[in-house]
Amino acid sequence: ILNVEQSPQSLHVQEGDSTNFTCSFPSSNFYALHWYRWETAKSPEALFVMTLNGDEKKKGRISATLNTKEGYSYLYIKGSQPEDSATYLCARPNQGGKLIFGQGTELSVKP
Amino acid sequence: GAVVSQHPSWVICKSGTSVKIECRSLDFQATTMFWYRQFPKQSLMLMATSNEGSKATYEQGVEKDKFLINHASLTLSTLTVTSAHPEDSSFYICSALKRLTSTDTQYFGPGTRLTVL
Repeated sequence: ILNVEQSPQSLHVQEGDSTNFTCSFPSSNFYALHWYRWETAKSPEALFVMTLNGDEKKKGRISATLNTKEGYSYLYIKGSQPEDSATYLCARPNQGGKLIFGQGTELSVKP
Repeated sequence: GAVVSQHPSWVICKSGTSVKIECRSLDFQATTMFWYRQFPKQSLMLMATSNEGSKATYEQGVEKDKFLINHASLTLSTLTVTSAHPEDSSFYICSALKRLTSTDTQYFGPGTRLTVL
């Protein structure tokens, strides 16, 4: 069974704070790790697809790193803004190619 | 990115009735779509894979006669919850698979909140 774990479950920060959260997954048979941002009442939005160990991807103030050997990925948000408030999901494909999601980290950024 | 719509966004129905949820890929053709279900405070759980022109494949524990999936075109998949019961109340969300040169990416609809009374 492929388990994808995210921590923390929720996070409350002040505007301007930088923050990060973790996605942990089994490192065997790895070929991709997906990050999504899910705002309330909207569709989950694809942020990053990461495939290579040591990969670092960036989109504006958001960046992600990947360690496939130890089975984790970090998502960083620099200078959080209220519009960053959302649930951040990570997902790893299983051997059949189907996405297995973590429970998500719910981020709340207070002005 | 890509745009996937889902309709309705919420529905309330009586126990015993059937409810149809539509998932449309608006700007690309999707031979494969997925249907997920989410219970409160839990992960998105894959229910089934919808394949255009062929039968859907269901995950273990998902009743295919209960959750009917039809993928009649490259832009539309439907999920029908038949003879709905209160325990079917949940959040249902679909995604459309876009095959890219580097890796496949799923683009999600906004989801449907089903409440069965």
